Amino acid sequence: NAGVMQNPRHLVRRRGQEARLRCSPMKGHSHVYWYRQLPEEGLKFMVYLQKENIIDESGMPKERFSAEFPKEGPSILRIQQVVRGDSAAYFCASSPRSLQGESSYNEQFFGPGTRLTVL
Amino acid sequence: DQQVKQNSPSLSVQEGRISILNCDYTNSMFDYFLWYKKYPAEGPTFLISISSIKDKNEDGRFTVFLNKSAKHLSLHIVPSQPGDSAVYFCAARGSGGSNYKLTFGKGTLLTVNP
Repeated sequence: NAGVMQNPRHLVRRRGQEARLRCSPMKGHSHVYWYRQLPEEGLKFMVYLQKENIIDESGMPKERFSAEFPKEGPSILRIQQVVRGDSAAYFCASSPRSLQGESSYNEQFFGPGTRLTVL
Repeated sequence: DQQVKQNSPSLSVQEGRISILNCDYTNSMFDYFLWYKKYPAEGPTFLISISSIKDKNEDGRFTVFLNKSAKHLSLHIVPSQPGDSAVYFCAARGSGGSNYKLTFGKGTLLTVNP
């Protein structure tokens, strides 16, 4: 059973370009979460999506950032007109359903991340 | 505003000894706590968790203790092994509608020396 997959693993962009980060959740998982880790920081929640729905985007910057999880295909985190401050590791996680109870089965499983560098 | 704090950026321990990683939180709405382990160039891996209604949870070499009145939790690894060398993140989430939202600490780098 493949884990959460993210690509590309490394992405270099110049200021003003667009960055597209992809995430394929674990098989059977319909909930996707994106987190960002800035240097020397912990992971910070950005957005929570279910198929074709954005449930919570409260952690995502209002401008330049968008996310989607279409009916078919991976979830996409899109950053337009990147700036140097966008350089970070972006992690995607998935879970089988809304987190309830204490079963470790319900926890979020993380992908390996995409390291974005903006020159 | 750091709601989950891991005040030790690093910890070095001898193989076979106990590793104790600490975590403090400020948000009294948190009711579920998790530890994740992260190797370089990989994503965080879920390790162990504890609900606020408990004060201890054990899984093999790993035990998490929760002191709710002090808003403090700790992860004990006994005995420590070189393969345990990694960054350990403490995370917390609340109950209710946004219980999916994990709040992470900055992490503690554990080095277990052979």
